[in-house]
Amino acid sequence: QVQLVESGGGVVQPGGSLRLSCEASRFSISNHGMHWVRQAPGKGLEWLAFIEFHGNYKNYADSVKGRFTISRDNSKNTMYVQMDSLRTEDTAVYYCARGRGQWPSHRFDNWGQGTLVTVSS
Amino acid sequence: AIQLTQSPSSLSASVGDTVTITCRASQGISSALAWYQKDSGKAPKLLIYDASSLQSGVPSRFSGSGSGTDFTLTINSLQPEDFATYYCQQFNTSPLTFGPGTKVDIK
Repeated sequence: QVQLVESGGGVVQPGGSLRLSCEASRFSISNHGMHWVRQAPGKGLEWLAFIEFHGNYKNYADSVKGRFTISRDNSKNTMYVQMDSLRTEDTAVYYCARGRGQWPSHRFDNWGQGTLVTVSS
Repeated sequence: AIQLTQSPSSLSASVGDTVTITCRASQGISSALAWYQKDSGKAPKLLIYDASSLQSGVPSRFSGSGSGTDFTLTINSLQPEDFATYYCQQFNTSPLTFGPGTKVDIK
């Protein structure tokens, strides 16, 4: 069964940085576009970023553009997001998800369990 | 960005009921719509894609319909494990966007 496991969440001060990882198992991420999605407390789901198979094309939501950087290491079957200049409104559970379809026609067919990021002083 | 609205925002139902949730897009998105189930503390689960295609492994009591701007998710014979929040998502245009969710709870 396909598995995605996020890690790297924690508490960080406003203006700080954090890097999340998403390790895949039982499938190769080199065959899939991958995404980050988040859910703030009491809020709905928000798509954040996409990276295509080899990492040459990336796309971001306006809310994180210029602050977050998505990347991947297919040899480690792992995707990342580097989050800089964090704000209190970035507090959320962060999910990685596998995309299916041809960008931008992606639905998310597998998700990780999420990792909590808390931005607070 | 394409905005998605869902109605109702919440509903109460009983086991065995049929439930219908509506999702409306701010502009036409053809059939580029998916539905997800989200339970508290769990990962979202893809139920329906391309507006009406059932994701592998999802029970057939879930069905989707619609195209253009108006879509529905129907759950027939609601089961205890179906009490959750449901989100629609459009994948016609970047940025990919989700609806605000519909919470289905026990009457």
